[in-house]
Amino acid sequence: QSALTQPASVSGSPGQSITISCTGTSSDVGNYNLVSWYQQHPGKAPKLMIYEGTKRPSGVSNRFSGSKSGNTASLTISGLQAEDEADYYCCSYAGSSTYVVFGGGTKLTVL
Amino acid sequence: QVQLVESGGGLVKPGGSLRLSCAASGFTFSDYYMSWIRQAPGKGLEWVSYISSSSSYRNYADSVRGRFTISRDNAKNSLYLQMNSLRAEDTAVYYCARPLYGSSSEFDSWGQGTLVTVSS
Repeated sequence: QSALTQPASVSGSPGQSITISCTGTSSDVGNYNLVSWYQQHPGKAPKLMIYEGTKRPSGVSNRFSGSKSGNTASLTISGLQAEDEADYYCCSYAGSSTYVVFGGGTKLTVL
Repeated sequence: QVQLVESGGGLVKPGGSLRLSCAASGFTFSDYYMSWIRQAPGKGLEWVSYISSSSSYRNYADSVRGRFTISRDNAKNSLYLQMNSLRAEDTAVYYCARPLYGSSSEFDSWGQGTLVTVSS
């Protein structure tokens, strides 16, 4: 069982917006502004899409945005495109001992 | 550009050992903490271990503590993971990952991964 809870799957049509939630606790998501999101296509390495909860690395489309409220972080993808179909993982810093915890991943299907 | 290339994976029997390597290039390796992160077949990501830039600090997931040892050679721009007493549940693709900056817990560069299979 993963430390952070994500929905197993979400879907949306091209052009629509979807949101993936990531629920943790006051020991991780709720206590640090260090939530990151990764996109992973089949057979590929994960790619950083959001860091520090809301920031986008250079080169990542502004269709991707992150937010946080309490112990829950969210990733929103607007203007869905076929290439967005992938697995998405959230990750949070959880203190110097545990270090980081990941969510179980969410499979995004673009209908 | 940043490049991380893992090697050393393969098939090993339960109880056996394996040493993974990660060759880094395109950045000042000695400036960064480095981590190993794994992904069991069809499963999610799991952080395994990190090592500080000067090897002063190391940390491990509970699932591998006492069996795995992380190390690095800054002169060779290389990261290692010595895995002993391997179990079936250690079967996974192992990724070498670099954080966004120094000691960040967010990873902007990943290798292609190396598959470790523990089976009799």
